[in-house]
Amino acid sequence: DAKTTQPTSMDCAEGRAANLPCNHSTISGNEYVYWYRQIHSQGPQYIIHGLKNNETNEMASLIITEDRKSSTLILPHATLRDTAVYYCIVRTWGGSNYKLTFGKGTLLTVNP
Amino acid sequence: EAGVTQFPSHSVIEKGQTVTLRCDPISGHDNLYWYRRVMGKEIKFLLHFVKESKQDESGMPNNRFLAERTGGTYSTLKVQPAELEDSGVYFCASSQAQGVTTGELFFGEGSRLTVL
Repeated sequence: DAKTTQPTSMDCAEGRAANLPCNHSTISGNEYVYWYRQIHSQGPQYIIHGLKNNETNEMASLIITEDRKSSTLILPHATLRDTAVYYCIVRTWGGSNYKLTFGKGTLLTVNP
Repeated sequence: EAGVTQFPSHSVIEKGQTVTLRCDPISGHDNLYWYRRVMGKEIKFLLHFVKESKQDESGMPNNRFLAERTGGTYSTLKVQPAELEDSGVYFCASSQAQGVTTGELFFGEGSRLTVL
């Protein structure tokens, strides 16, 4: 699976949009971009994933650049409960490979 | 619907002892995974079951670790004998059958293991 690069930490004001970037310049054509987060003392939680089109669900939006070398996770109205480590993960989907490779992620701190 | 449940939530044992961690996946999920985060490190994959069969156990660190999933339902992860470097949080996750999934893994809260 391709490697990803994320900032170590970010801050965001409560109620504002949080934009978390991820670089995945070596992504291949059959690899998806996944985002998970881990709130302190809990297990990782799936947020969203995409291949090349922008995606939106009830939690967040995922914007993938046209060349697919980078993406941005957007939390439209961050709350204090969104403080967590956010992981950008690239992997193929399907077949027998369901392994997730977690990196260091981005610690997002939402401030009052 | 119940999520992935893990037991115990925290276990403290002495070096050389044995510990067994249990995971109950979401009902109907054929895929079950074990991950762990040891002190200061990233979350690492340990192994993957499809029903009762081990699909991928490439992440198991050594033969002191034994995972089972008898009957394709719950799974256990036994560490025998435990060493200090085994301390960390062990996560279990499950997902639906291949081919019909979004690729989403549902994680449990984790079992914290402390080896003294």
